[in-house]
Amino acid sequence: DVKVTQSSRYLVKRTGEKVFLECVQDMDHENMFWYRQDPGLGLRLIYFSYDVKMKEKGDIPEGYSVSREKKERFSLILESASTNQTSMYLCASSSQKWGGEQFFGPGTRLTVL
Amino acid sequence: AQSVSQHNHHVILSEAASLELGCNYSYGGTVNLFWYVQYPGQHLQLLLKYFSGDPLVKGIKGFEAEFIKSKFSFNLRKPSVQWSDTAEYFCAVITYTGGFKTIFGAGTRLFVKA
Repeated sequence: DVKVTQSSRYLVKRTGEKVFLECVQDMDHENMFWYRQDPGLGLRLIYFSYDVKMKEKGDIPEGYSVSREKKERFSLILESASTNQTSMYLCASSSQKWGGEQFFGPGTRLTVL
Repeated sequence: AQSVSQHNHHVILSEAASLELGCNYSYGGTVNLFWYVQYPGQHLQLLLKYFSGDPLVKGIKGFEAEFIKSKFSFNLRKPSVQWSDTAEYFCAVITYTGGFKTIFGAGTRLFVKA
């Protein structure tokens, strides 16, 4: 079974802190994604990556950056956390270059105070 | 702008009732279509998918969906729901415009009364 793991289930940070969210997948998938999930808004794509060191902006990249130094690991960085970044963050991966099924991690619920 | 609309945000049904959740997308080109489900406290997981071929696709746990290209729709159905179907359901579309783009709907929360 594909496994996507995220470094934390719950995280509490203060405004202005730099926050790192880590995601690891164990199935050699090329594509990895970061979403945020908010009630009534569904999942919104922040960034995705087709390959190591490759990244593409999603729909809401402002305030976020990403890093993919190894194929299995995709990190989301909040350079200076703000209260409006309080949300559930989901990582996903997929194996097909052009749009296959995505496998999701358990999510990180981030609260910024 | 490309978008995915799920018509109902909250649905409440009794066990054994039939279910239909609507999903419409706005994009005229090639699409891949998905329904994902998130049971309480669990990961999002795939329910079913459509890439090409028979527009009526069957997924896990008795769910099915029908792709109607002329209506830009991909509605999810189940003839008889169970209490264990209580979950949030997300429709997702992948479009191709020089690269692929994934768009999720806002989700529908289904509560099934025992």
